[in-house]
Amino acid sequence: QQPVQSPQAVILREGEDAVINCSSSKALYSVHWYRQKHGEAPVFLMILLKGGEQKGHEKISASFNEKKQQSSLYLTASQLSYSGTYFCGTLDYKLSFGAGTTVTVRA
Amino acid sequence: EPEVTQTPSHQVTQMGQEVILRCVPISNHLYFYWYRQILGQKVEFLVSFYNNEISEKSEIFDDQFSVERPDGSNFTLKIRSTKLEDSAMYFCASYRAVGLYGYTFGSGTRLTVV
Repeated sequence: QQPVQSPQAVILREGEDAVINCSSSKALYSVHWYRQKHGEAPVFLMILLKGGEQKGHEKISASFNEKKQQSSLYLTASQLSYSGTYFCGTLDYKLSFGAGTTVTVRA
Repeated sequence: EPEVTQTPSHQVTQMGQEVILRCVPISNHLYFYWYRQILGQKVEFLVSFYNNEISEKSEIFDDQFSVERPDGSNFTLKIRSTKLEDSAMYFCASYRAVGLYGYTFGSGTRLTVV
C-alpha cells in the first residue's frame, strides 16, 4: 500500500524552510526519500532505517517515527536547486511511492 | 558513479504494435525493477525481478507485459500490443539491497502510443 504524502505542493522563497510528511497505514521498517526534477529520473536522497533517526543530505534532513508510522523531510534554508517533486517510498520487497510533493523555490 | 542505462530515450509506436524497452542495470546490483510514470502523476511500480525471475508484479503488469534478462546484463520490458493508455515514462531501477543505498533509476524511456 502506498504511503500518503502531504502537502501536495509548496511554494517557498529562497532561504525559507518547509516540511514534507509521509505516513503509512502499515508498519514501516525503512523509508526512502527521492527528488525528481522535471523530465528527469527520481534521484535517491536518503534512507532511514531506525525510528527517530535523522539523516541529512546538504541542508535537507529527515526523521522517522516508527510508532507513528511517519517520516518527515525538512528543507532548511531552501535554495533554488531544491525545486522538484519529492517522493517518499516505503520498502516492502519493492518500493512503493507516495504521490509526491512539488516544491517550488523562488528567488 | 555507476549508472543505469536505458534505451531508447523516446519511442513512438502505433497502437497494437509491440515495443521492447531496454535497460542495463548496475552490474553488482541484485534487484531490478520497472516503474512507469504517466505525465504529471506518481511513479507506479510494475514489476520486480530477482534471481532471474519475477518476484512481484502489480495489477498493471498484465499478460501484455513481460520482462527478461536475456544475457546477464540487459533487462528488458516488452509490451506485446500497445494501447494508448500505455503512453508514459518507463523507468528501470536497480538496487543493491546492501548498506544505506537506495534505488538507482535510469533516465527513462518516454513511450508515446499513437
